[in-house]
Amino acid sequence: AQKITQTQPGMFVQEKEAVTLDCTYDTSDPSYGLFWYKQPSSGEMIFLIYQGSYDQQNATEGRYSLNFQKARKSANLVISASQLGDSAMYFCAILIGDNAGNMLTFGGGTRLMVKP
Amino acid sequence: AAGVIQSPRHLIKEKRETATLKCYPIPRHDTVYWYQQGPGQDPQFLISFYEKMQSDKGSIPDRFSAQQFSDYHSELNMSSLELGDSALYFCASSLADEQYFGPGTRLTVT
Repeated sequence: AQKITQTQPGMFVQEKEAVTLDCTYDTSDPSYGLFWYKQPSSGEMIFLIYQGSYDQQNATEGRYSLNFQKARKSANLVISASQLGDSAMYFCAILIGDNAGNMLTFGGGTRLMVKP
Repeated sequence: AAGVIQSPRHLIKEKRETATLKCYPIPRHDTVYWYQQGPGQDPQFLISFYEKMQSDKGSIPDRFSAQQFSDYHSELNMSSLELGDSALYFCASSLADEQYFGPGTRLTVT
């Protein structure tokens, strides 16, 4: 079974600095996708960024970028120029295979706190 | 842009009662997923539907059932509710790999 691990339960970052949230995964399937979601205290799950296992380039979306190291099975999220509104829980998730209806398996999450 | 709609947003039920949660996916999305997130936990997959057919099943209790209708909306039916069913229930929809989540329904069982 696939497994996804976030080793940092909580992190602090100074406003305007960059921060890296770690995510490692374990799967033997060659086809998979990696996702990051943000969950603020209000509870909604906000999709941030996606990386496919066959993608050659690291995914970027505005201030978010995904540092994808396939050989190390890591997919770290980098947030540049942190803002106070970035304070939230961040979940890494993996989707195995390419069939419709495949489920996401989530890591335990990292709580990010941005200091003014 | 239209997002996933879930109703109700909050629900309070007593033990042994039933509950029905509704999900309206993003237009043209053909796949719907249900996840359960307990307090302080990560979301756990329950069940998914593709083109109105169940496509995958996770840790969904036998007391729960779900279906997807012809208009692609989905309902999660929960019977004989237990205190441990108190959680945030997310619906997500997708057309390709990216799953977009609704705002969730917070169910409290007393």
